[in-house]
Amino acid sequence: EIVMTQSPATLSVSPGERATLSCRASQNVDTRLAWYQQKRGQPPRLLIYDASTRATGIPARFSGSGSGTEFTLTISSPQSEDFVVYYCQQYKHWPPMYTFGQGTKLEIK
Amino acid sequence: EEQLAESGGDLVQPGGSLRLSCDASGNTFRSYWMAWVRQAPEKGLEWVATINVDGSEKFYVGSVKGRFTISRDRAKNSLYLQMDSLRAEDTAMYYCARENRAHFDIWGQGTVVTVSS
Repeated sequence: EIVMTQSPATLSVSPGERATLSCRASQNVDTRLAWYQQKRGQPPRLLIYDASTRATGIPARFSGSGSGTEFTLTISSPQSEDFVVYYCQQYKHWPPMYTFGQGTKLEIK
Repeated sequence: EEQLAESGGDLVQPGGSLRLSCDASGNTFRSYWMAWVRQAPEKGLEWVATINVDGSEKFYVGSVKGRFTISRDRAKNSLYLQMDSLRAEDTAMYYCARENRAHFDIWGQGTVVTVSS
């Protein structure tokens, strides 16, 4: 099983300050990584796939980077609605054994 | 607009069974792999099961193998999860999701399963 580790568990930033969230894979996943945003009481929403491609309708302030085992989600200027929880997910493993990170909560400083 | 709607969640005793359904609106779901993902209360996301387009291939997380069965009815545009021998640790919100090249691009609102005596 590929273990995904997100850091930090909670990230405190001021509105408008760049937020950088990290995700590490226990083994190489190439660029087969996605990021999701989840607001309280709602299902997850796909933000980024293939490590750096924004999903349809996702604002440009969200960007993803990385490959192999180290990945980053950057929110260039977080808006109030961005202070929620983010998950990474790998989809490299075959046969399918998808795994998620434990999540990073973005909170207002 | 493509949408997914889950149903079937309930309170069930340990050892019991439950069948979840996911109805898809829109014509594209028949052409996609589909999955179930769950989230225990105040916890993270866990992939549960995946099924390919024609239902001939099914994959499960280890903790549910032999207890859960994923299936689909393409004519009805529906996805199912038969859950047997339920345990307390299966308590969660269960989401169905469309797989698009192995990431999940459309999610339903979820249905709650509670396993408790």
